[in-house]
Amino acid sequence: VQLVESGGVVVQPGGSLRLSCAASGFIFADHPMHWVRQPPGKGLEWVSLITWDGTSTSYADSVKGRFTISRDNRKNSLYLQMNSLRTDDTALYYCAKDIYGYDTSGPDYWGQGTLVTVSS
Amino acid sequence: QSALTQPASVSGSPGQSITLSCTGTSSDVGTYNLVSWFQQHPGKAPKLMIYEGNKRPSGVSNRISGSKSGNTASLTISGLHADDEADYYCCSYTGGNTYVFGTGTRVTVL
Repeated sequence: VQLVESGGVVVQPGGSLRLSCAASGFIFADHPMHWVRQPPGKGLEWVSLITWDGTSTSYADSVKGRFTISRDNRKNSLYLQMNSLRTDDTALYYCAKDIYGYDTSGPDYWGQGTLVTVSS
Repeated sequence: QSALTQPASVSGSPGQSITLSCTGTSSDVGTYNLVSWFQQHPGKAPKLMIYEGNKRPSGVSNRISGSKSGNTASLTISGLHADDEADYYCCSYTGGNTYVFGTGTRVTVL
């Protein structure tokens, strides 16, 4: 299993950013996928989940209405569109696959993360 | 979506056993058997150690075990090794395809 995140940069407050996660080594189209973030020196925060077929999405209250998760099963790719960014969105963003196919049981394999810094 | 409560730090000597707690509510840990535990070494991605409360992924040592009682989940590490020194996070399903992580515990091997 390999998950490679990209797209993390320095962005100003109020700005937008799109993160990507390229997946390989498993049947991507079968698995729900997660985004989890970790502010520098702090703990993990679950951000979002998308079902295996992309028909259902869910979000943490802290990002609801600002972030949108999506996937392209033809390209084995996961995305996170981040709008109205705030300084407290600064974090290392991880994508993670779900343990089983179809129904969610939680994340298992994680990528190495991509760093998003929101600063003026 | 309040974070699950974990002790900030736990320590033990090599060979000892330690137990980490993860306290949630009847809306998460108390209702769902979907509690996972992750180990994170500095600068590394989290690694799954326990899922569905007490199941070990392939390759995880049998020194690691998980359990749950009421609204509290626990992770026990027996025969403590130097490389067990890391941060540990619990994670619980909270319904509606949402999850919540714990505050994290720093394990120190004395």
